[in-house]
Amino acid sequence: AQSVTQLDSQVPVFEEAPVELRCNYSSSVSVYLFWYVQYPNQGLQLLLKYLSGSTLVKGINGFEAEFNKSQTSFHLRKPSVHISDTAEYFCAVRVNSGGSNYKLTFGKGTLLTVNP
Amino acid sequence: GAVVSQHPSRVICKSGTSVKIECRSLDFQATTMFWYRQFPKQSLMLMATSNEGSKATYEQGVEKDKFLINHASLTLSTLTVTSAHPEDSSFYICSASQPQGNQPQHFGDGTRLSIL
Repeated sequence: AQSVTQLDSQVPVFEEAPVELRCNYSSSVSVYLFWYVQYPNQGLQLLLKYLSGSTLVKGINGFEAEFNKSQTSFHLRKPSVHISDTAEYFCAVRVNSGGSNYKLTFGKGTLLTVNP
Repeated sequence: GAVVSQHPSRVICKSGTSVKIECRSLDFQATTMFWYRQFPKQSLMLMATSNEGSKATYEQGVEKDKFLINHASLTLSTLTVTSAHPEDSSFYICSASQPQGNQPQHFGDGTRLSIL
């Protein structure tokens, strides 16, 4: 079984400041890793994903994440945030397998609040 | 990019009513769809995995007779909340996976269900 820990439930930052949202995972098998963003009363939008290859992954809206296998982490970063980045962010993992019917395991989410 | 459409976005109805929520993959064939429930300020809870042409696989603690899932085609899955009661009020979100194994899940915009 897999598990995901998002260490911070809330992260307040000022506009144009850098931000890091932390995610650690646990799994006995290889996994794919994802970050999703959820705006109020909406579904989840994929920010970025790590499948294989380069450990630094760039996503939409200026976000990037780095896969660290030894530390089992996949922290999300952005060098300069905007007010519009205020949202809930979810880290998720699923089994690295050829099938498409494997479940995502989500962290509990981190609420990023960007203040002016 | 892949698009998943979920309908309706909001439902308000009386206790005892059955409510059907549709989830459609608009530009790809989804062999697997997932149904989640999200409580306020919490993460997504997987309810069931829906496979085209076969019975859904329900997570432990989810009543299959209360939450009926039908995945009749490669682009449509439906969730019917039967005889809904106020405790069924929640945010329901579907997602769909493309057949290729390493593709991420794409999420609908969710359905806010309010039972009076």
